[in-house]
Amino acid sequence: EAGVVQSPRYKIIEKKQPVAFWCNPISGHNTLYWYRQNLGQGPELLIRYENEEAVDDSQLPKDRFSAERLKGVDSTLKIQPAELGDSAVYLCASSLVTGADRGGEQYFGPGTRLTVT
Amino acid sequence: QQPVQSPQAVILREGEDAVINCSSSKALYSVHWYRQKHGEAPVFLMILLKGGEQKGHEKISASFNEKKQQSSLYLTASQLSYSGTYFCGTEDYNQGGKLIFGQGTELSVKP
Repeated sequence: EAGVVQSPRYKIIEKKQPVAFWCNPISGHNTLYWYRQNLGQGPELLIRYENEEAVDDSQLPKDRFSAERLKGVDSTLKIQPAELGDSAVYLCASSLVTGADRGGEQYFGPGTRLTVT
Repeated sequence: QQPVQSPQAVILREGEDAVINCSSSKALYSVHWYRQKHGEAPVFLMILLKGGEQKGHEKISASFNEKKQQSSLYLTASQLSYSGTYFCGTEDYNQGGKLIFGQGTELSVKP
């Protein structure tokens, strides 16, 4: 079974430039998460989708970040314009969550390491 | 609020045991444990649910004290492959489905 796929793996951009990350979750997983992980820290949730619906985007800096999940499968996360503080690893994860199982195990992709100069 | 993990780092010799703790200030529905090796994605180890149900890795054990809002991960007879950073993620009753991760515990197993 294929895991969570993310691209690109690495991205270096200058500040004020736009950048986009792509994620393809495990087939059949209805829930998709975007996390940001700073060096030496645990992942921090940016947005959570259940199918096409963003059910938790309270941590997403909406002035510069946007996300979408096309047809409830693939997802893209965009930053425009990027700032120096956005340098981090952006992780995508997916899980299969049923009504009774609130906290299904999450499967993470390899992440995109973003460097803003 | 972010759960607190302890210790922050631990160094072991192969075959030694370790315990990693995770403590929250909130009433928890579940605790998840993940291991992340340098430059790689976090890998699921275990879920501990309210009521005692557990799902996860056969060779790793953990406990969840709902009353104390704490969980502990037990690594016995450690192997070199156990090296990495261990994260607990907590899910509380008010934010179903959302995990808040601790700052991590770095484990190094030496030959």
